[in-house]
Amino acid sequence: GEDVEQSLFLSVREGDSSVINCTYTDSSSTYLYWYKQEPGAGLQLLTYIFSNMDMKQDQRLTVLLNKKDKHLSLRIADTQTGDSAIYFCAESFGNEKLTFGTGTRLTIIP
Amino acid sequence: EPEVTQTPSHQVTQMGQEVILRCVPISNHLYFYWYRQILGQKVEFLVSFYNNEISEKSEIFDDQFSVERPDGSNFTLKIRSTKLEDSAMYFCASLEGKTREQYFGPGTRLTVT
Repeated sequence: GEDVEQSLFLSVREGDSSVINCTYTDSSSTYLYWYKQEPGAGLQLLTYIFSNMDMKQDQRLTVLLNKKDKHLSLRIADTQTGDSAIYFCAESFGNEKLTFGTGTRLTIIP
Repeated sequence: EPEVTQTPSHQVTQMGQEVILRCVPISNHLYFYWYRQILGQKVEFLVSFYNNEISEKSEIFDDQFSVERPDGSNFTLKIRSTKLEDSAMYFCASLEGKTREQYFGPGTRLTVT
């Protein structure tokens, strides 16, 4: 079955890099996503990676995928106060449903 | 920039009442979804819709739930007889099909009293 796990909390000093980790169980996942949810708001798509890729970089965001270990990470460089949010990883099989992780609450320490 | 919209932003209803949550997906998108998030919990899939029919539904999506695309723009979720445990944030999402980018609306907070 599908199961996606994340650490619940992460605190990072402003200006440092944040690394949010995610593990998933279903090796047939074809796409893996990162979404950001600010308080009281919807889900903002940050980035996604196809399962045959190892890495994807988009400005301050770097996604790393270790398919052998079924491990996905999101690195945010130069973390700012506006990055405070809950970050969800999710997996899918093309146009089908997303299966979300538990979410990681990122807190920025000034 | 095109976006998914949802109305209302907050709906309060009494147990046993019917509610309809409305969504306007991005105009050239072909795949539509409903998810829900109970307060403090993960986002859960409810149903997906393509080519005017349900393509997949979860165990949560029982006979009390239905979806409809009544015209070319709206996508609705109906809960026939609400229960206290239906209180949650309901998110609509849409996907074009050529890309794998599933975009979410801002959500409707449903409170059942």
